[in-house]
Amino acid sequence: EAQVTQNPRYLITVTGKKLTVTCSQNMNHEYMSWYRQDPGLGLRQIYYSMNVEVTDKGDVPEGYKVSRKEKRNFPLILESPSPNQTSLYFCASSTQTGGGRAPQHFGDGTRLSIL
Amino acid sequence: GDSVTQMEGPVTLSEEAFLTINCTYTATGYPSLFWYVQYPGEGLQLLLKATKADDKGSNKGFEATYRKETTSFHLEKGSVQVSDSAVYFCARGASGANNLFFGTGTRLTVIP
Repeated sequence: EAQVTQNPRYLITVTGKKLTVTCSQNMNHEYMSWYRQDPGLGLRQIYYSMNVEVTDKGDVPEGYKVSRKEKRNFPLILESPSPNQTSLYFCASSTQTGGGRAPQHFGDGTRLSIL
Repeated sequence: GDSVTQMEGPVTLSEEAFLTINCTYTATGYPSLFWYVQYPGEGLQLLLKATKADDKGSNKGFEATYRKETTSFHLEKGSVQVSDSAVYFCARGASGANNLFFGTGTRLTVIP
């Protein structure tokens, strides 16, 4: 079954304690992306990756890091989490086509609470 | 700048009512347009899309037509069901990359 898998689904942690949210896709997609979803703001892109070892900032990258060492994985790293990073996070992937025509496949989300 | 503006919710309808959720966009050129649906506790799923002007996307009884004259992509359904209760997001693609720009989402609740 084609899917994007995120872990953990829920996490409550404290300010400053490094955490990693993993994302894996089994569709051999080149493009992967992280979003955060906040009430009244919709989804905002954090980082994206066009392929292995190619990453770039989205609209709200501050406080986050990513890496793309393998095609299937795209972890999101919060080196020193702060309460304003409390949010619902989604990973997504798609095939690499020009013109932004490819639909994205989303994971089920990770709800992070930073106390 | 480039953006997507969609109708604010929440929207509450009775079963079998007609649904319209408005979406307009600003962009240079003619981006691909999408509607995604998010059911409670789940990620977003593609509902329908249109890649060029006058295209009509359709799926599960939902339709949306790419109108370049009005830069709109309104979502419609003739007869909603309780199972359509969800949050609906309008999005547009970006040229040269697969990035998506989302509207703020519209929560739909359908009551029996």
